[in-house]
Amino acid sequence: AQSVTQLDSQVPVFEEAPVELRCNYSSSVSVYLFWYVQYPNQGLQLLLKYLSGSTLVKGINGFEAEFNKSQTSFHLRKPSVHISDTAEYFCAVSLNTDKLIFGTGTRLQVFP
Amino acid sequence: GAGVSQTPSNKVTEKGKYVELRCDPISGHTALYWYRQSLGQGPEFLIYFQGTGAADDSGLPNDRFFAVRPEGSVSTLKIQRTERGDSAVYLCASSLNSDTEAFFGQGTRLTVV
Repeated sequence: AQSVTQLDSQVPVFEEAPVELRCNYSSSVSVYLFWYVQYPNQGLQLLLKYLSGSTLVKGINGFEAEFNKSQTSFHLRKPSVHISDTAEYFCAVSLNTDKLIFGTGTRLQVFP
Repeated sequence: GAGVSQTPSNKVTEKGKYVELRCDPISGHTALYWYRQSLGQGPEFLIYFQGTGAADDSGLPNDRFFAVRPEGSVSTLKIQRTERGDSAVYLCASSLNSDTEAFFGQGTRLTVV
């Protein structure tokens, strides 16, 4: 079975500072990896995904993530955050790009 | 429609009652998913439709939960004899097919009192 661990439930950061949201997964087979963002009172939106190829994946809104197979990690990074990045971020894995298994989420709070 | 639409946006029901939650996927999307998000948790997979048939219903917690998609478009999630533990946000998503990005609706917040 697959599982996802998001190590930080909350990450406070000041505006324009860099941020890293951590995600580790567990699986005995190859998986696809995703990051979703959920803004207040909105649906989940795909930020980026890793299916194959380059391990550094660039997504929307200046976010990027790096797939590290040896460490079974897929950490999300942004070099300079904005107030508007305040949201809940979910890491997810999938065997076949259909059913997603989500982590418990990380609340990113950006302060001015 | 422009996006995945879920109705109602909020539903309050009494313990023991029956509820139906509706999902209108993006037009032309053959794959449809239901997830449940409890407070402080990530979304949890319930069921996946490819066309009219349930391709994977392994996430349905028990036989009180049932979902249909009779014409391969709109889907209804049905919960019988609701319990307080069923309170959650129920999310629907659709994708062009199972290999493409899933787009999520805003969810239905179900509260069982």
